[in-house]
Amino acid sequence: GAVVSQHPSWVICKSGTSVKIECRSLDFQATTMFWYRQFPKQSLMLMATSNEGSKATYEQGVEKDKFLINHASLTLSTLTVTSAHPEDSSFYICSAPDGTGDTEAFFGQGTRLTVV
Amino acid sequence: AQRVTQPEKLLSVFKGAPVELKCNYSYSGSPELFWYVQYSRQRLQLLLRHISRESIKGFTADLNKGETSFHLKKPFAQEEDSAMYYCALWGQGAQKLVFGQGTRLTINP
Repeated sequence: GAVVSQHPSWVICKSGTSVKIECRSLDFQATTMFWYRQFPKQSLMLMATSNEGSKATYEQGVEKDKFLINHASLTLSTLTVTSAHPEDSSFYICSAPDGTGDTEAFFGQGTRLTVV
Repeated sequence: AQRVTQPEKLLSVFKGAPVELKCNYSYSGSPELFWYVQYSRQRLQLLLRHISRESIKGFTADLNKGETSFHLKKPFAQEEDSAMYYCALWGQGAQKLVFGQGTRLTINP
């Protein structure tokens, strides 16, 4: 199956700083990637759809200025949490279909963000 | 809007007993339903999807459009089935995958 890799796996940052999370498709090209947020013992909440070469589509209630998404190439999407606060601490997961037109999602291993 | 509901957060059964994880959905268009599984310390992965109509690891799920359900079933649970299970819906119109709340399945020896 297709492989999606996230980096870093975990990060600790200070309040007020920004942190960037990368999502890469290792063996396929992804015109679309999805970013999810998972609170402890809760489901995955879709934050936004990242589109290569164009603006991301954000879900209702997600602050686009807070969570900046850039999809500059067919293998890389980045999520930048700007001016992070403790309430932004969470598990962030990206996924992508494999580019064949199939709708199966392949997931990254997730990034644990802790804001102190 | 597309919505997926998994009414049970936790489900615990004994090894060898039947298992049913419930999933109901709401979507105005033609949905594509999936079950994803997350084993301990592993990433989410596809378990099965309704269009393939196959059994994976002994699990099956039938799409019931009348009841808008996609329940996951296995006749005889095994300890290695303990995991977090998520029902998900891909909406052709919206082109996105939305998840239910998840059910943590624990198989007791």
